[in-house]
Amino acid sequence: EAGVAQSPRYKIIEKRQSVAFWCNPISGHATLYWYQQILGQGPKLLIQFQNNGVVDDSQLPKDRFSAERLKGVDSTLKIQPAKLEDSAVYLCASSLLRGNYGYTFGSGTRLTVV
Amino acid sequence: DAKTTQPTSMDCAEGRAANLPCNHSTISGNEYVYWYRQIHSQGPQYIIHGLKNNETNEMASLIITEDRKSSTLILPHATLRDTAVYYCIVRSPPSGSARQLTFGSGTQLTVLP
Repeated sequence: EAGVAQSPRYKIIEKRQSVAFWCNPISGHATLYWYQQILGQGPKLLIQFQNNGVVDDSQLPKDRFSAERLKGVDSTLKIQPAKLEDSAVYLCASSLLRGNYGYTFGSGTRLTVV
Repeated sequence: DAKTTQPTSMDCAEGRAANLPCNHSTISGNEYVYWYRQIHSQGPQYIIHGLKNNETNEMASLIITEDRKSSTLILPHATLRDTAVYYCIVRSPPSGSARQLTFGSGTQLTVLP
């Protein structure tokens, strides 16, 4: 089966600019997650979708970050305006809704804010 | 979900078994133990999970102590490609909506030639 697709792979922007990341999960996976991974740390959950609804966005900095999942499939994560501390890898993952199945992660987007 | 404690780093000789420990002394009766690994510049990859019985798949074996307060991930014949950060995660089973995975800092395993 095809994996979780993410784009772009790399992005460099100046602070205060905006940026968007795209994720296409595995077909049939109802649940989609966005994680932020700062260098040297484990991934931190930003937002969880179930189909096209938000299940948990408690750790999403809503003053600058936004995310949507149209029609319960693809998802975009946006940062506006970016800060230096947003430099990180942004990982998308998907999973089945039921059962103890593991997540499947994409390769991530490495964002550098200068 | 219960927290986990892992060593920061470990080395293993190529071809030997790699045994990665994890402590989860506050684990609850219905919480599962998951293991993921993250190779450099890639997203985390699911390895294995278990509740109380030992589990084995094509990648690894998971040994959970009888009191479930600790577990060990075993890579039976480590190769250079097994060099990665290994995460041990404890998670409640899904109920209504899929439960999140909360990552710690993991163990950096380096397989030496």
